Amino acid sequence: KQEVTQIPAALSVPEGENLVLNCSFTDSAIYNLQWFRQDPGKGLTSLLLIQSSQREQTSGRLNASLDKSSGRSTLYIAASQPGDSATYLCAPRTGSTLGRLYFGRGTQLTVWP
Amino acid sequence: DVKVTQSSRYLVKRTGEKVFLECVQDMDHENMFWYRQDPGLGLRLIYFSYDVKMKEKGDIPEGYSVSREKKERFSLILESASTNQTSMYLCASSLRWTAQETQYFGPGTRLLVL
Repeated sequence: KQEVTQIPAALSVPEGENLVLNCSFTDSAIYNLQWFRQDPGKGLTSLLLIQSSQREQTSGRLNASLDKSSGRSTLYIAASQPGDSATYLCAPRTGSTLGRLYFGRGTQLTVWP
Repeated sequence: DVKVTQSSRYLVKRTGEKVFLECVQDMDHENMFWYRQDPGLGLRLIYFSYDVKMKEKGDIPEGYSVSREKKERFSLILESASTNQTSMYLCASSLRWTAQETQYFGPGTRLLVL
């Protein structure tokens, strides 16, 4: 069974900092990996999806990298803003036939002005 | 835009009641999922469905059942609610089983069982 670990569990930074959120997973046979954002009491919003054949994917100030063989993914957030405050979840899609997402417990990010 | 809606944002039920949580998606997605989210445990998959009338167990199906009679609607049923089923329930859908698929999530239902 896929095990997903996210480090750090929580992060509090001043506005403007560049951030690194880490995700590791035990089974490298993944189809893809998604990064999600969750605001308090809300559902999840997909931020980035990286295919297993890709090394990185970018969207605005977000950049996600994937090293499938070592079971790691990293989410970089450039020039952080208070509106980035949320919980960030990584989810590799793994499975024999249909595949499914396995979630980490997330990194809770607070960006203060 | 894909829209996944859940019938209730908050729900309070009593132990032993039968509880129905409804999820509807409006984008003709083939796959639908039910998760529960608990502090310290993260999201755990309860059941999923890849077609009408088809269902597969996830990691924690005990105490739950599901129904998918129409493509757009996926219901989660708590046959006899218990206090340990107090949780946030999240529904999701995706178009089909491809490497490019993204799961789209509803806003969640926070269920309290007394």
